[in-house]
Amino acid sequence: SQKIEQNSEALNIQEGKTATLTCNYTNYSPAYLQWYRQDPGRGPVFLLLIRENEKEKRKERLKVTFDTTLKQSLFHITASQPADSATYLCALPNAGNNRKLIWGLGTSLAVNP
Amino acid sequence: DAGVTQSPTHLIKTRGQQVTLRCSPISGHKSVSWYQQVLGQGPQFIFQYYEKEERGRGNFPDRFSARQFPNYSSELNVNALLLGDSALYLCASSFASGQGTSGSLHFGNGTRLTVT
Repeated sequence: SQKIEQNSEALNIQEGKTATLTCNYTNYSPAYLQWYRQDPGRGPVFLLLIRENEKEKRKERLKVTFDTTLKQSLFHITASQPADSATYLCALPNAGNNRKLIWGLGTSLAVNP
Repeated sequence: DAGVTQSPTHLIKTRGQQVTLRCSPISGHKSVSWYQQVLGQGPQFIFQYYEKEERGRGNFPDRFSARQFPNYSSELNVNALLLGDSALYLCASSFASGQGTSGSLHFGNGTRLTVT
C-alpha cells in the first residue's frame, strides 16, 4: 500500500527565512499531490495541488515541487512569518481508489520572531 | 458562505456507548467524507458519500457507519465505543466525487471525541 513520509521532527526557523518541508512516498506514482495546513484544534486547510505533469507550482509565498523520479514533493514557504507556524500535511490519492486520500503525519513548523 | 460545519465540537462518552456526529457541507457541495485523526497522526479515511450513496470506505470496523441526507448533510455513527476511538473526527466536503481531483477538500473543525 502507499506510504507517505514527512519530516518527523519539528522544524524551527527564523522569521524571514525559507522553510522547506519534505514529503516522500513509496510505491506507485500518484496523479497529483496536495498540501494542507492544520492549526491546533482545527481542520486541515487546503493550500496547493500539484499534478504529476507539473514540476512546480506557486501561490504567493508558497512553492511546491513534484519529482516523480525521486517520489518526492518539496513545500517551500519564502519570507516566513510567525503566522506561518502550523502543521503542514501532504496527501495523495490511494492507488485504485482516488476517493481515498492517504495522508502523511505532518511536519510541525515554528517560525520564531 | 458558511464553511463546513460539524456538531458537536466536543463530546465525552463512556466505553460501550454509541455516538452520532453531524456534518453540513458547503452549499453546493455534494460529496462528504469522514476522517479520523488521532493526536500526532494524519487523518485516516473512514467513508465518502456522494449523492447519498457510499462511494468509498476505509479500513474501519462495522461499528462505524454513516449516511448522507437529501440536503447532502451527513451523520457518522459509531457503536460500542472503545477507548481507541478517542480522536478528532473530521468532515470534508467537495463538489465532485473524486477526492481532491477538482482542487481540494474543505474541512470542518471536527468533533473531538473522548471515550473514557
